[in-house]
Amino acid sequence: RKEVEQDPGPFNVPEGATVAFNCTYSNSASQSFFWYRQDCRKEPKLLMSVYSSGNEDGRFTAQLNRASQYISLLIRDSKLSDSATYLCVVRQGGGSYIPTFGRGTSLIVHP
Amino acid sequence: EPEVTQTPSHQVTQMGQEVILRCVPISNHLYFYWYRQILGQKVEFLVSFYNNEISEKSEIFDDQFSVERPDGSNFTLKIRSTKLEDSAMYFCASFESSSGANVLTFGAGSRLTVL
Repeated sequence: RKEVEQDPGPFNVPEGATVAFNCTYSNSASQSFFWYRQDCRKEPKLLMSVYSSGNEDGRFTAQLNRASQYISLLIRDSKLSDSATYLCVVRQGGGSYIPTFGRGTSLIVHP
Repeated sequence: EPEVTQTPSHQVTQMGQEVILRCVPISNHLYFYWYRQILGQKVEFLVSFYNNEISEKSEIFDDQFSVERPDGSNFTLKIRSTKLEDSAMYFCASFESSSGANVLTFGAGSRLTVL
């Protein structure tokens, strides 16, 4: 199975900071891309889908670069409540439709 | 908001015992998945299920594992003879696909501890 790679971090930032995460994927036939958030010992929850043209939801901006096979997540004005693990999820193509998870990037926002 | 429900939330079992984990997916969803997450590791795909049969499975999903949808609502994962390394959080997920979004909704998970 093709892989999804993320820097595990942790990223340790002060409140109000801007932080960016990248994720690379190896399967060029990948079709759908998502960022999920996972709190400690909880289930993953959808943060946002990632569209080809890029998309924004409040303080969160996601970008997709198909040529370089990476997606990014930008968080502006970090809040303490943003502390979590951010999971990159790629739905494979080329005959497999399984959403594949990266191992996540840990974010710690401190006062 | 519709949700995926999993039971039990935590099960402790002895090595070699059979375990059944249960899931009730969102009612209009057609695709069902089991994932597992060993503590500190990534979420790993086990199996997908559509139209009452397995559509894909991973290398992890060996002969010790089975899934079924016995009554049109429950979706179960059975581990026939548990091993220590089966200790993990098991997540059920579903999506409906008609909207094209292919967004997975996860249950809260079942934590399995094998002693």
